[in-house]
Amino acid sequence: GAGVSQSPSNKVTEKGKDVELRCDPISGHTALYWYRQSLGQGLEFLIYFQGNSAPDKSGLPSDRFSAERTGGSVSTLTIQRTQQEDSAVYLCASRPTSGAYNEQFFGPGTRLTVL
Amino acid sequence: QKEVEQNSGPLSVPEGAIASLNCTYSDRGSQSFFWYRQYSGKSPELIMFIYSNGDKEDGRFTAQLNKASQYVSLLIRDSQPSDSATYLCAVIKPRGYNQGGKLIFGQGTELSVKP
Repeated sequence: GAGVSQSPSNKVTEKGKDVELRCDPISGHTALYWYRQSLGQGLEFLIYFQGNSAPDKSGLPSDRFSAERTGGSVSTLTIQRTQQEDSAVYLCASRPTSGAYNEQFFGPGTRLTVL
Repeated sequence: QKEVEQNSGPLSVPEGAIASLNCTYSDRGSQSFFWYRQYSGKSPELIMFIYSNGDKEDGRFTAQLNKASQYVSLLIRDSQPSDSATYLCAVIKPRGYNQGGKLIFGQGTELSVKP
């Protein structure tokens, strides 16, 4: 079946603009995660959605970052008033409710460049 | 102190040798441990996970966990050039309210297997 998909694959924007990044998880996966990976760095947790529970937003770096998940499926990560330090690859992952605990499946990522 | 620490490398081994990748974590309550492989420009993919002290083998890969020392390692036997990638160690934060399933990643170790 289809894996996790993300769009756009690349996004170049000017400092101060808002951007929206989209994630389509694997069908039936109830958990959805957003991570950020800067050049040569590990993955930084941003936010986590699990079913209808309130999201875990503990990793969001500032109030310019927000995310929502509609209908328990598609998620959108929004970055307002982008800054150059926001440049990174933004990865989305989803996890099924059953199977190997916390086996997350990653999407291909969105490479964001803020000029 | 970072929650999950890895030697960034690069670690260089000759083809056919054993590659040893190490990871330490700071939170004694961490319960589950994962190794991901990430090829350049690609998303991470799960290699192994381990919950219990001791060794877990899967083909050429062996994960080792020592909770007393807060240490987890990955051994790759008969290393191949195709194993050249960045290896990310990840742990699950102890479960608390709305904390389930959040992976904390180390910075990753770059492995290079020379023919």
